[in-house]
Order: sequence, then C-alpha cells, then structure tokens
Amino acid sequence: AQTVTQSQPEMSVQEAETVTLSCTYDTSESNYYLFWYKQPPSRQMILVIRQEAYKQQNATENRFSVNFQKAAKSFSLKISDSQLGDTAMYFCAFGNAGNMLTFGGGTRLMVKP
Amino acid sequence: EAGVTQFPSHSVIEKGQTVTLRCDPISGHDNLYWYRRVMGKEIKFLLHFVKESKQDESGMPNNRFLAERTGGTYSTLKVQPAELEDSGVYFCASSRLAGAYSTDTQYFGPGTRLTVL
Repeated sequence: AQTVTQSQPEMSVQEAETVTLSCTYDTSESNYYLFWYKQPPSRQMILVIRQEAYKQQNATENRFSVNFQKAAKSFSLKISDSQLGDTAMYFCAFGNAGNMLTFGGGTRLMVKP
Repeated sequence: EAGVTQFPSHSVIEKGQTVTLRCDPISGHDNLYWYRRVMGKEIKFLLHFVKESKQDESGMPNNRFLAERTGGTYSTLKVQPAELEDSGVYFCASSRLAGAYSTDTQYFGPGTRLTVL
C-alpha cells in the first residue's frame, strides 16, 4: 500500500515571496503519478499540477513548479510570487493506472499581505 | 463544460437516520470515485466505479454504506443507519476512462459535509 506524508500542517508566506511545500511518499510501484491539489476556503478542490513518474523533467504550471526526486520519493511544490488567492489547503496525492488516489494530510497555506 | 456536482452541500441528521448523497460526474467520464475526509484526517478512498460497475470498493468502511451508479451516470452513496463517526466531508471525483498503463486526472466535486448528531 502507498503512503503519502505532508510534514507541514501549516505554513505562511508573505505576498510576492516564494514558498515550498513538502511531500514524501512510499511505494513499490514503478509507474505512477503524483498530484498537488488545492482547496481554497469553502471552495472546490482543484488540480494544481501533475507529474508522471517516468518523466525526469519537473512539471511546471505558471507560478507553480515541482521538485520531483524519484529516488528519494520526494515531491515538493514551489509557489513563486505568492498571491493572496493562493491561500488554501494543499494536498499531495499519489495515483496509478486509473485507480484511487492516496492523499497526504494536507498543508494549510496562508498568504499574508 | 460543467464540473462535478454534488448534492446536498450540507446535511445534518441524527444518529440512526438515513442519508443519501448524490454525485453527478463530468459528462463522458466513465470513472467515478467516492472519498471521505473525517475531521483533521487524510482524505480516504471509499470506492471506484467504472461506468456502472464497482471496480474497487475496498475503502468502504462497513455494510452501512451502499453506493450505486445507475446506468453509468450519476452515483448515490447511502448511509443507513448513520453513526456519529460517519461525520465528515464526502467528495466525489470523476475522470475519463484511460488505459491500464495510464491515468487521467481526477476532477473533484465541492463535497457534501455530513454531520451526524
């Protein structure tokens, strides 16, 4: 069974600065996918970024990028130029071949003006 | 396109009562998943439909939970009788049907917050 760990329950960052959220996972699978989801307060959970394990290149989506270290089983999310709208709960998730997602406990991020 | 929708958004019931949650996936999505987040804990998988068939129900906590997906469209999750520990947020997600060696992104609904008193 897979496990996903987010070691930072809460974090804060000043607007316009950069923050990194950590995520580690454990699996014996070789083909899998990793995701970061964001859930703003009282709003729907949305996908931030996705990484295929077979790809060496780190995924990026505008201000969001990941540092995927497969050997270390680490998948951190970097948010550059933080904005107030980035305030949310962030979930790291593991998935494979159309099956269920395994989630970490979440990191609550507060962006301060 | 319309996203995943869930109804109701909130439900407050008493222990022993029955509640039915509904999920409408994105049109054309054959995969439908139910997850639950109990207060302060991780989001946990409950079950997975492929079209109208249950692909994996290993996360269902006990036989008080019954999920159906009529005609491969919307899904319902019934809790009968509800217990205090069933309180939490129930999420539904859907994705397109992908191959055995690939996976498509799961899109989540807003969740149903269930409170059992």
